[in-house]
Formats: sequence, C-alpha cells, structure tokens
Amino acid sequence: KAGVTQTPRYLIKTRGQQVTLSCSPISGHRSVSWYQQTPGQGLQFLFEYFSETQRNKGNFPGRFSGRQFSNSRSEMNVSTLELGDSALYLCASSFGGTVSTGELFFGEGSRLTVL
Amino acid sequence: GQQVMQIPQYQHVQEGEDFTTYCNSSTTLSNIQWYKQRPGGHPVFLIQLVKSGEVKKQKRLTFQFGEAKKNSSLHITATQTTDVGTYFCAANSGNTPLVFGKGTRLSVIA
Repeated sequence: KAGVTQTPRYLIKTRGQQVTLSCSPISGHRSVSWYQQTPGQGLQFLFEYFSETQRNKGNFPGRFSGRQFSNSRSEMNVSTLELGDSALYLCASSFGGTVSTGELFFGEGSRLTVL
Repeated sequence: GQQVMQIPQYQHVQEGEDFTTYCNSSTTLSNIQWYKQRPGGHPVFLIQLVKSGEVKKQKRLTFQFGEAKKNSSLHITATQTTDVGTYFCAANSGNTPLVFGKGTRLSVIA
C-alpha cells in the first residue's frame, strides 16, 4: 500500500510569509501527527489530529496551526515565518494515534528554508 | 511536560565494534519505541516495548525495557556500515503524545 505522502518536498520562503504543508496518510489511518526536526533539537511534537479533531498540541506558538479533513489528509500552516522556522517538517500516520501503542509511519518530510 | 533523555549524542565506532544508546525518563512510561533515520531519510520504526523488563532481538540488535519502565537501551553487536544513521527512542505515558529523544548519531568507520 502507498506510504505517507508529503508535499511539497522542498520550499524556500522569506521572513513574514506564510506556508502550508500537506500530508496524505496511509489509507485507513485516522491519525496524523506533525513533528519539526532541526539539527540541534531532534524531533519536536507539533500537534496531532485524529478523525478531524486536534487531540494534542506541542509547545509551539500560535503561528503554527493545522487541520485534518474528512479523508484524513492533513495540512499544517505556519504564518509570519521566522528564520528559526527553517526545518524539516515530518508528518507521521498511524491507526490509533500517538497516545496509543502502534508504530508511526513517517513521510519523507517537507524541508522549509526561510530566508 | 514529559521528557526523554537520550545518550550519547554521537558515537563513532570501528566496523565490528558494538554500540549502545540509552534512553531515560523521570516518569514511568507506557511504551517505548525505537526508530532509525538514515542520513537524508525519514525515521523508520524498528520496535516497540511495552512490558517491564522486556527484551527483544532483531538479528544484531537487542532492545531492552527497564524493570521500572523508566529506561530503555538499544545495543548493536558487531556494527556494520549499514548501521550508520541516527537512532531515536520515543515514548509516552498515559494519554501523552509520543515524545522523541534527541537521538544518537552513529558513525561506523570501515
């Protein structure tokens, strides 16, 4: 079966702009979680959506938001971009979500560079 | 919030040497998972441990979950160049989301 698909794979933005990233989970998976990965901080949890509801949120400012659609596809948005937002944004799909047992399936990520 | 501490941050070994990475938490964990991320790649699930004192093996990899369910380790016997990458532990407790350690980057010198 198809894996987790993230688009776009690479993008360059300038400070102050906003960006929207998309994630299509594995068919049948209802949970999508988002992580920010930077060299110094590892994977930091942004938020998780399960059946269109935000179930958990990490410690990120309100500029970071997300949503999930009825087909389980998810988008995350970052407004008013800052240089420090440059990172690899990873989406992970799972059946039961991160609060339950069960592996996460990661997409290839969207690499955002903010100039 | 819950934190998972992982050490060491980096490990350089000669091919054939053993390698171990450790994960520690101050709180009791419900389950712990291990992932591997190859350079330029994305994290890939290796294993999940849920029982106190659990030990699981995958070929040259041995995973352990502590008796108190507060720590875990991943041990690789006789490393190979294919083992290169960053190894992450990830854990949750109760209804908290999965939290990742900062990872251990393994370099293997042939």
